[in-house]
Amino acid sequence: KNEVEQSPQNLTAQEGEFITINCSYSVGISALHWLQQHPGGGIVSLFMLSSGKKKHGRLIATINIQEKHSSLHITASHPRDSAVYICAVVDTDKLIFGTGTRLQVFP
Amino acid sequence: NAGVMQNPRHLVRRRGQEARLRCSPMKGHSHVYWYRQLPEEGLKFMVYLQKENIIDESGMPKERFSAEFPKEGPSILRIQQVVRGDSAAYFCASSPLHGQSNYGYTFGSGTRLTVV
Repeated sequence: KNEVEQSPQNLTAQEGEFITINCSYSVGISALHWLQQHPGGGIVSLFMLSSGKKKHGRLIATINIQEKHSSLHITASHPRDSAVYICAVVDTDKLIFGTGTRLQVFP
Repeated sequence: NAGVMQNPRHLVRRRGQEARLRCSPMKGHSHVYWYRQLPEEGLKFMVYLQKENIIDESGMPKERFSAEFPKEGPSILRIQQVVRGDSAAYFCASSPLHGQSNYGYTFGSGTRLTVV
């Protein structure tokens, strides 16, 4: 079993839909990251969370430390949101990554 | 304030050659991490370095791979005698302090290594 599990693995949506991506982890962590990766592109850090909730534009990230679970929400999704979204947890001195959720938003 | 700079962006090597991947961290960042993303797989930790020190190399293959972060200049990930299985995207990230929940990581654009 992976230490960081994401669901769903693949997600398609129509423009404007509300998107939720989930992340569960089994290790003790100091923080959790949500990352975005476009095909063939680099990795962009969207959020770093250690508790509660953060919001940036149409993106919202939440974390429940007791339940070892985090969610990434995208409101009013747009085709430019199409990318792979990766959850990563901070384990001492390194990141442990989920396998990613591939999101496609169609116009 | 440039971000994390990786070069080259794309690297093609023949089997048996050496590959050198470079990473210049963000200004003010003294911690560098290397990650590998194999085709159709997730990212995996390779090595964590500070200036002139390897802190954690638990993710590095035991042979052919080495990393350094000298006092001056970029961090280098070196792969000797490359094989086809080394073909992957190699990402570097930097942070001002490690393991601190208040500080994030900044990633480079990656080096895509293709071994032919």
